[in-house]
Amino acid sequence: EPEVTQTPSHQVTQMGQEVILRCVPISNHLYFYWYRQILGQKVEFLVSFYNNEISEKSEIFDDQFSVERPDGSNFTLKIRSTKLEDSAMYFCASSAQGYNEQFFGPGTRLTVL
Amino acid sequence: GENVEQHPSTLSVQEGDSAVIKCTYSDSASNYFPWYKQELGKRPQLIIDIRSNVGEKKDQRIAVTLNKTAKHFSLHITETQPEDSAVYFCAASRAPDDMRFGAGTRLTVKP
Repeated sequence: EPEVTQTPSHQVTQMGQEVILRCVPISNHLYFYWYRQILGQKVEFLVSFYNNEISEKSEIFDDQFSVERPDGSNFTLKIRSTKLEDSAMYFCASSAQGYNEQFFGPGTRLTVL
Repeated sequence: GENVEQHPSTLSVQEGDSAVIKCTYSDSASNYFPWYKQELGKRPQLIIDIRSNVGEKKDQRIAVTLNKTAKHFSLHITETQPEDSAVYFCAASRAPDDMRFGAGTRLTVKP
């Protein structure tokens, strides 16, 4: 069964550094998403991407965040200058259609020191 | 934006009992309501969903009800088993690709 994959599984970085989190959505899916989950807390929507552009974003997704689909398979989240409070699990997800099941990847645990 | 409230935050039941988790949402435009189960250290996985044109949906031991007028929806798990222990999240979508989650309910099923 196809799955969403994410790399790396764990990323440790220094405050102020740039990080890129990578995701490979399910191949025939059209909608892509990034979510954040701070340890023990709820899953927070960051951004959705459809038809090669951002379609929705939350108040969390400020100028330090960007997303890109550099080729036909990868979907990336870039954090330009990491802060301590960016430490969290970042989940990528994809869905075949809107208003439909979103399939989550295993997550990347980001630790900012 | 959409605001989803979820209660209770923790729930402990005896094996075989039923568990009910309730959510409310704020945006009347929301029309898709999934429930996700997240086991410790794992990714969220869909267990059931309901759309606004349906009032109730069942899948074996799991059922979801939706009251659009009151803007609330509930998850019902019957005959609970220890493997049902996890964190359950409700969510609501007010746009095809904008899904907001509740705060989660930690369900513990005691053998």
